[in-house]
Amino acid sequence: GEDVEQSLFLSVREGDSSVINCTYTDSSSTYLYWYKQEPGAGLQLLTYIFSNMDMKQDQRLTVLLNKKDKHLSLRIADTQTGDSAIYFCAVRSGGYQKVTFGIGTKLQVIP
Amino acid sequence: DVKVTQSSRYLVKRTGEKVFLECVQDMDHENMFWYRQDPGLGLRLIYFSYDVKMKEKGDIPEGYSVSREKKERFSLILESASTNQTSMYLCASSPPTSGKGNEQFFGPGTRLTVL
Repeated sequence: GEDVEQSLFLSVREGDSSVINCTYTDSSSTYLYWYKQEPGAGLQLLTYIFSNMDMKQDQRLTVLLNKKDKHLSLRIADTQTGDSAIYFCAVRSGGYQKVTFGIGTKLQVIP
Repeated sequence: DVKVTQSSRYLVKRTGEKVFLECVQDMDHENMFWYRQDPGLGLRLIYFSYDVKMKEKGDIPEGYSVSREKKERFSLILESASTNQTSMYLCASSPPTSGKGNEQFFGPGTRLTVL
């Protein structure tokens, strides 16, 4: 089955850019997602990218997809304290509804 | 505004008890999911359902069962709770396959403690 890996922790200073990385194993992955989980809450979709795209930009968020290396990244420009949360990479393969999630990267923003 | 609600935010049960976790969505979604979230392990899929009365095992179904009698409601059942089922349980729903990414909408979670 699909395996999705991401680092556990990232610390950045307020105003800097944050880059959260993710690798996956299934080359037939169709949709790749970034979800955000704030303390005590469920997950919320931040953005997603379809596998035929290399990049997607949405305001402060930039998603880069390298299909050859099966590498996905999320860049947050001008990181704010409100961006402190756990960020999950998730991958959907084929036509199935099942999505595989990474373990989540905890982003700490230092004022 | 889309909404997925879960019956309890916090639940404390004793070993051996039968536990019901309820999830309701108001978006008329076909697909519903139950995950558990544990530190260092991320989200792991327990069961999902793509239609009323239909269910599929996820990655860790052992010790759990589910029920989907109505489209909007998906229940997770722990027949005999054990301490290793202490976890955060997250419910989610999504529409059928479409070109818009099939976002999963999550509930706030139920933190279950089994003593």
